[in-house]
Amino acid sequence: EAQVTQNPRYLITVTGKKLTVTCSQNMNHEYMSWYRQDPGLGLRQIYYSMNVEVTDKGDVPEGYKVSRKEKRNFPLILESPSPNQTSLYFCASSLSSGRAYEQYFGPGTRLTVT
Amino acid sequence: DAKTTQPTSMDCAEGRAANLPCNHSTISGNEYVYWYRQIHSQGPQYIIHGLKNNETNEMASLIITEDRKSSTLILPHATLRDTAVYYCIVRDFNFGNEKLTFGTGTRLTIIP
Repeated sequence: EAQVTQNPRYLITVTGKKLTVTCSQNMNHEYMSWYRQDPGLGLRQIYYSMNVEVTDKGDVPEGYKVSRKEKRNFPLILESPSPNQTSLYFCASSLSSGRAYEQYFGPGTRLTVT
Repeated sequence: DAKTTQPTSMDCAEGRAANLPCNHSTISGNEYVYWYRQIHSQGPQYIIHGLKNNETNEMASLIITEDRKSSTLILPHATLRDTAVYYCIVRDFNFGNEKLTFGTGTRLTIIP
């Protein structure tokens, strides 16, 4: 089944404790992206990647890192999480950029930083 | 990307067709109309997209006016599982960031 998976689905952590949220897709998609969703602010893009080893900042990249060493994986790294990073996070992928392809979203990771 | 306007909320009886309007009066010639939905904090789900012609797939139909300034998403036989927030997004495609800008959407409630 074609899908985007994220792990963990739920995470409660403390300020400053490094964490990684994994994202994996099995559709051989070139383009991947991370969003966060907060009440009243909608979905905001954090980082995106057009292909392996090609990543770039979205609208709200501060406090986050990403890497794209393999086509299928696009982990989101919070080196020193803070309470303002408490949010619902979504990973998305599409076949490639530059065409009108649909995007597939993961099920979400609900992160709470205390 | 062009701005869209959608009603805040709508109700529809189960089994009836749900017609969700979207206004995009500033759309430009290369911009596509996309529809996504989000069911209660799940990941957004792609529904359909189109440029000029009407489109239909297994989930829905998309009707785009001739001047392309508005469109309607039609769910032909709504079920309770169609209760969700529906987002109309207008965007161009170019080689680069495929960021989707989600507005506030329409909260569709299917009534039993």
